[in-house]
Amino acid sequence: EVQLVESGGGFVQPGGSLRLSCAASGFNFEDSAMHWVRQLPGRGLEWVSGLKWSGEKVGYADSVKGRFVISRDNSKSSLSLEMNSLTTADTAIYYCTKGKYQLLESPSEYWGQGALVIVSS
Amino acid sequence: DIQMTQSPSSVSASVGDRVTITCRATQNVAQWLAWYQQKPGEAPKLLIYGASNLQSGVPSRFSGSRSGTEFTLTISNLQPEDFAVYFCQQAHSVPLAFGGGTKVE
Repeated sequence: EVQLVESGGGFVQPGGSLRLSCAASGFNFEDSAMHWVRQLPGRGLEWVSGLKWSGEKVGYADSVKGRFVISRDNSKSSLSLEMNSLTTADTAIYYCTKGKYQLLESPSEYWGQGALVIVSS
Repeated sequence: DIQMTQSPSSVSASVGDRVTITCRATQNVAQWLAWYQQKPGEAPKLLIYGASNLQSGVPSRFSGSRSGTEFTLTISNLQPEDFAVYFCQQAHSVPLAFGGGTKVE
């Protein structure tokens, strides 16, 4: 059974930083692209960032480029998102997702339960 | 960047109805279009990938099609468990944009 478990969410002040982690199991982690997708409570979905199975190709939404850094550790089946210079607009539920293919350009086949990030003073 | 325009934003339907949701891309995304279903309090679930391929375990009353840059999700014989929000996403090039969502109520 595929499992994606996010951790690291919480409350942070504007300008602060937070690191999200995702522990993956139930599939060959090295065979899949991985993504972060966020959702403002009661709102739509926004693709945040993703990376190819090897980690050599990454992508970011314009809204987070230069502030967020995605990384993966295939030896530990883990995905991370380092979020810096946070603003209230970054308040959302952050989902870790497994891509259906190895390519970065891959739909999200499985989703974690989400981690809530609240940016507020 | 490619933008996705989804319509309608909401649709009122009854059990047994046929529901159609449309998603239009601002550029050619070929077959790289996915559809998701999200129920309250749950993470989205992949329904269709490659514009028309049914994800494993998804009922056959769900179907997808493409005409150029316009994509359609059709739910035939709507069931009570199908009342949810549906999103499209282009998986052609980053950023992998989502449509705004359609609530089936």
